[in-house]
Amino acid sequence: GENVEQHPSTLSVQEGDSAVIKCTYSDSASNYFPWYKQELGKGPQLIIDIRSNVGEKKDQRIAVTLNKTAKHFSLHITETQPEDSAVYFCAARYSNYQLIWGAGTKLIIKP
Amino acid sequence: DAGITQSPRYKITETGRQVTLMCHQTWSHSYMFWYRQDLGHGLRLIYYSAAADITDKGEVPDGYVVSRSKTENFPLTLESATRSQTSVYFCASSSPPRGDTEAFFGQGTRLTVV
Repeated sequence: GENVEQHPSTLSVQEGDSAVIKCTYSDSASNYFPWYKQELGKGPQLIIDIRSNVGEKKDQRIAVTLNKTAKHFSLHITETQPEDSAVYFCAARYSNYQLIWGAGTKLIIKP
Repeated sequence: DAGITQSPRYKITETGRQVTLMCHQTWSHSYMFWYRQDLGHGLRLIYYSAAADITDKGEVPDGYVVSRSKTENFPLTLESATRSQTSVYFCASSSPPRGDTEAFFGQGTRLTVV
């Protein structure tokens, strides 16, 4: 069935450095790829998304890249800050309403 | 406050009991979703609803029942709770009825079945 693999499961970076989280999806028909951030005790919140007709999208310190041929998409966070510490989830849409989610990456920003 | 709210936030129940998790949204979003979140699995869709009185199964529907008599409410019922249903449950809503719009999540309900 449809699957989204997310790596790494835990990522620890020094404050100010960049962080990259990678996802691979299985359904070549997927055309929408959101990234969500989940802070402790809260529900996930959308931080950025990308559609399949775009290769890259940026929003301040956050960027997402998409390689449709390889079925890869990645989240890039530059100049990391303590408030970036959270769990990040990627997802891929495989039908008009259903998202398949990655297992999550715990991002730790070291002071 | 406007938004999406879940209740209760925490629940402990015994095996075999029926338990209902509540979800209420104030945006009149047409789509609503129930997910469960387990370590190592991300979020898995249990049920979704496209509108009042329209519901359908997601990835892991067994053991759960939903209803949606009003647009703003989407309760999830565990008919006979099992330990494997111990999880954190999230309700979400989105609009318009397409997959590529932001889904707004509630705070979650942590359910423990003993």
